[in-house]
Amino acid sequence: LAKTTQPISMDSYEGQEVNITCSHNNIATNDYITWYQQFPSQGPRFIIQGYKTKVTNEVASLFIPADRKSSTLSLPRVSLSDTAVYYCLVGDMGDYGGATNKLIFGTGTLLAVQP
Amino acid sequence: IAGITQAPTSQILAAGRRMTLRCTQDMRHNAMYWYRQDLGLGLRLIHYSNTAGTTGKGEVPDGYSVSRANTDDFPLTLASAVPSQTSVYFCASSEWDRRTDTQYFGPGTRLTVL
Repeated sequence: LAKTTQPISMDSYEGQEVNITCSHNNIATNDYITWYQQFPSQGPRFIIQGYKTKVTNEVASLFIPADRKSSTLSLPRVSLSDTAVYYCLVGDMGDYGGATNKLIFGTGTLLAVQP
Repeated sequence: IAGITQAPTSQILAAGRRMTLRCTQDMRHNAMYWYRQDLGLGLRLIHYSNTAGTTGKGEVPDGYSVSRANTDDFPLTLASAVPSQTSVYFCASSEWDRRTDTQYFGPGTRLTVL
């Protein structure tokens, strides 16, 4: 199983770019890398997902090196509302897709954005 | 569109009692999941279901059971609650499309077992 390791916490200021790195040394061939955001008293919310190289959407970018043993979530120009816990998830889509028992969440990184 | 609803929002339960946490989704997703979240441990998968009629064990299944009689509902049952099952429980669903598996989470149920 590909467990993940993330920094416990990070601090930033409004307007800065934030990069959060996740290590997943035992990632398997079928594993995708997904990042979620969680605010207090709410369920996690999908941010971005990728398999290799770079993926970008309207809120973030995900950088994955060729060996796929790590990934970096990049949040451009953060604001106070980006203060949350960010989870790195490595999962196997399986032969039929959907749920498998290989879905592992990391411990999460608490990002604190200050004015 | 409600998405995923969970009930109850919170519950205090005496040890040894039976409890069912309810989860309903209106997105017609084929896959559903139950997680528990404990301080310092992140989210851990309890049980999952690929499609109606099938279920599987996740990382921490002991003491919990699930059923998936139809697409929309995925109840989680604690047959005889113990204090170590005090946690926040999240239900999630996803529509797998062979490339991505975005999970949508409910608001959670805060369970306290005394």
